[in-house]
Amino acid sequence: AQSVAQPEDQVNVAEGNPLTVKCTYSVSGNPYLFWYVQYPNRGLQFLLKYITGDNLVKGSYGFEAEFNKSQTSFHLKKPSALVSDSALYFCAVRPRGGSYIPTFGRGTSLIVHP
Amino acid sequence: EAGVAQSPRYKIIEKRQSVAFWCNPISGHATLYWYQQILGQGPKLLIQFQNNGVVDDSQLPKDRFSAERLKGVDSTLKIQPAKLEDSAVYLCASSLNLLDTDTQYFGPGTRLTVL
Repeated sequence: AQSVAQPEDQVNVAEGNPLTVKCTYSVSGNPYLFWYVQYPNRGLQFLLKYITGDNLVKGSYGFEAEFNKSQTSFHLKKPSALVSDSALYFCAVRPRGGSYIPTFGRGTSLIVHP
Repeated sequence: EAGVAQSPRYKIIEKRQSVAFWCNPISGHATLYWYQQILGQGPKLLIQFQNNGVVDDSQLPKDRFSAERLKGVDSTLKIQPAKLEDSAVYLCASSLNLLDTDTQYFGPGTRLTVL
């Protein structure tokens, strides 16, 4: 069975500082990995995905994520945080082939302080 | 391009009552998903449609939940009868096709409160 762990319920960072939101996964075989963001009272929005190739994936709004196979991690990063980045972030995993069902983590609340 | 539409946005019912949610996906999207998001948890897929056929409903509690997408466009999700533990946000999402499952577009959700 596949699973996703987001070990931090909340991440606090000052505006202008770099941010990292952590994600580790467990899946049989090679994974597809995703990050979604959820702003208050709005649906989830796709940020970025890892399918294959370069381990560093660039996505929307200046976010990027690094796939680390040995550590089974896919941490979300941004060099300089904005107050408007404050939201709930979800990591998701899906195995290659077979089931199309993605598994989401429980989410990490990112709070960027002015 | 219009996004995924859902209604109602909020619903409050008593346990043992019935409730239905409606979803209109993005035009041209063949694949439609219903998720349940309980407070403090990530979304959990309930059912996945490709056009008007069910691809996967293995996580749908079929004794009380049902869903249909009769004409391959709009979809309804029904709960009958509702239980307290069904309180959650129900998210609808769509993607262009089954091979594009990664890029899902989500609606705003319906927040259900069961008293």
